[in-house]
Amino acid sequence: AQKITQTQPGMFVQEKEAVTLDCTYDTSDPSYGLFWYKQPSSGEMIFLIYQGSYDQQNATEGRYSLNFQKARKSANLVISASQLGDSAMYFCAMREAFSGGYNKLIFGAGTRLAVHP
Amino acid sequence: ETGVTQSPTHLIKTRGQQVTLRCSSQSGHNTVSWYQQALGQGPQFIFQYYREEENGRGNFPPRFSGLQFPNYSSELNVNALELDDSALYLCASSLSGPTYEQYFGPGTRLTVT
Repeated sequence: AQKITQTQPGMFVQEKEAVTLDCTYDTSDPSYGLFWYKQPSSGEMIFLIYQGSYDQQNATEGRYSLNFQKARKSANLVISASQLGDSAMYFCAMREAFSGGYNKLIFGAGTRLAVHP
Repeated sequence: ETGVTQSPTHLIKTRGQQVTLRCSSQSGHNTVSWYQQALGQGPQFIFQYYREEENGRGNFPPRFSGLQFPNYSSELNVNALELDDSALYLCASSLSGPTYEQYFGPGTRLTVT
């Protein structure tokens, strides 16, 4: 079964500094997708970045980048130049696809990031 | 382009009651998935609907059921509510197929007393 592990329950970072949030995954499927979502206290899951298993380069979206190490089965999120508004829960997720066309996201337990001024 | 919307925002029910949560998918999206997020945990997949049929289900009992309508909006119904059903219920819409991202709504927070 597929699994996502986030080992950091909480992280602190100083404003304008970079921070790395860890994510490891387990799957036997050669084709998979990895996602990072941000969840503010309001509850909405905000899509940040996506990495496909066959993508040759690490994904980047503005201040977010994904450090994808396939052999280590890790997909760490790097946030550069942290801002106070980055304080939130961050979830790593993997897409599991099934025959019949349906697919679901498997989430990790999340990391709570606090950005200090 | 309208995003995913959910109603109501908050709901309080008593154990044993039934509840219906609603979701309007993002414009053009034909697939809706529902997730349950207990406090302090990551979301757990409940089920997915495509073309008004359930085409995938997670490890949830039959008292969790759903509907998808021709306009792709969806409902989640939970019968015989239990205290452990207290959670944030998230709806996500997407296009069909595993290569498309799921876009989440703001969620409905259900409290069962």
